Amino acid sequence: NAGVMQNPRHLVRRRGQEARLRCSPMKGHSHVYWYRQLPEEGLKFMVYLQKENIIDESGMPKERFSAEFPKEGPSILRIQQVVRGDSAAYFCASSDRGLAEAFFGQGTRLTVV
Amino acid sequence: GDSVTQMEGPVTLSEEAFLTINCTYTATGYPSLFWYVQYPGEGLQLLLKATKADDKGSNKGFEATYRKETTSFHLEKGSVQVSDSAVYFCALSNAGGTSYGKLTFGQGTILTVHP
Repeated sequence: NAGVMQNPRHLVRRRGQEARLRCSPMKGHSHVYWYRQLPEEGLKFMVYLQKENIIDESGMPKERFSAEFPKEGPSILRIQQVVRGDSAAYFCASSDRGLAEAFFGQGTRLTVV
Repeated sequence: GDSVTQMEGPVTLSEEAFLTINCTYTATGYPSLFWYVQYPGEGLQLLLKATKADDKGSNKGFEATYRKETTSFHLEKGSVQVSDSAVYFCALSNAGGTSYGKLTFGQGTILTVHP
């Protein structure tokens, strides 16, 4: 059973471009969580999704950031018009139900130049 | 809001030494508590958890006890190995008992064990 797959592992974008980060949950998992880790800080919760629904987006910045988890395909975290402060590691986690261990992917390291 | 504070790192130990990584938390209600470990180049893995006061989580020789009176969840291991070198994260979940995936993390503690 493959683990949580995130791609790309490394992404470089120029200021003003769009970044799309993909997360394929473990097989059978319908709950997905996105986290951001800024340099020298712990992981910060961004958003919790189930198939086709956003359950909790209390950690998402109000502008430029969006997330989706369609019926088919991976979950996507989209950052529009990236700025240098968006440079961070973005982690995705999945679980098969709410009260269950969340399994983490290896993360996508975004660098904005 | 909820928060988790871990002891400052990095921590450097010799093999077979005793390990303690302190973790304290601030939260309303009755959170569940977790320790995650991240080995180089890998994602975070759940190491152990405790879901109510006085519970002890244990795995791979690591232990932590949920102390509500001191709001702490310190990680301990009696004899560390070189293979334990990793980053350790303390975390809590306080999503009203509906989700263990929405977590508040500490800043992480880097552990290096020398032969």
